[in-house]
Amino acid sequence: GESVGLHLPTLSVQEGDNSIINCAYSNSASDYFIWYKQESGKGPQFIIDIRSNMDKRQGQRVTVLLNKTVKHLSLQIAATQPGDSAVYFCAENPPGGTSYGKLTFGQGTILTVHP
Amino acid sequence: GAVVSQHPSRVICKSGTSVKIECRSLDFQATTMFWYRQFPKKSLMLMATSNEGSKATYEQGVEKDKFLINHASLTLSTLTVTSAHPEDSSFYICSANSGTGGMRQETQYFGPGTRLLVL
Repeated sequence: GESVGLHLPTLSVQEGDNSIINCAYSNSASDYFIWYKQESGKGPQFIIDIRSNMDKRQGQRVTVLLNKTVKHLSLQIAATQPGDSAVYFCAENPPGGTSYGKLTFGQGTILTVHP
Repeated sequence: GAVVSQHPSRVICKSGTSVKIECRSLDFQATTMFWYRQFPKKSLMLMATSNEGSKATYEQGVEKDKFLINHASLTLSTLTVTSAHPEDSSFYICSANSGTGGMRQETQYFGPGTRLLVL
C-alpha cells in the first residue's frame, strides 16, 4: 500500500555504472514478484518478474535476485543509461483467495542517472 | 502486446461535478482490472478490484459511492469520481491482467494514468 510520511529512497549513479535497487517485501507466502519502472507522469511499466521457486532471473540489461530467507528482492541494471532515470517499484503477489492477482507495492526508489 | 489505455489523460473539473475515467485493454481480454490512486512521490494505493460482470471489490477506506466502478466488458472498466472535491485531485491509474495468451495471470499491465484536478 501507500507509504506514509516517508521520502522515497534515492539512488544516484553515473552513466555506464551498474545500479542495484533493493526492496524488502512483507509477506513470506508471496510467490510472485515484479519490478516496475515509472517515469514522471506515466503509468508503471513492467520490467521483469520472478517466481518464488527461483532466486535469479535475467532479462535484457536487468537481473532480479530473490532472497526468500530475508524477504529481499533486488533489481540490478547493467550499464545504466540516462533513460533509466525513473522511480522503481517492487510488487509482490500474495497467494490464493480473494487476493489472487492483487499486488502489494513497495514504497519505490528514485533512480537518477547522471551523464 | 499487453497495452492498456486510459482516457482522458488529464481532466480539470469544478467541485461538485462527476468525472468518468475509462480504462481499456487494447490487445487482450482483461478478466480483472485494478484502480489505483497515486499521490506525488508516493507509491500506488489500490482502490478497488474490478471483475467483468460483477461488483467491484473496494479496499478498506475507499468509498464505493464516491468512486463508482463499472466493468462492462472484458476490455473496458470505468471509474467515476462522483461529486468531486479538491481533495480528490490525484493521479489515477488502472491496470489489467489476464491468464490468456501466455501471459501470467498475476502480471498487471498499467495504463498511462489520468491526472485529475478539481478546482
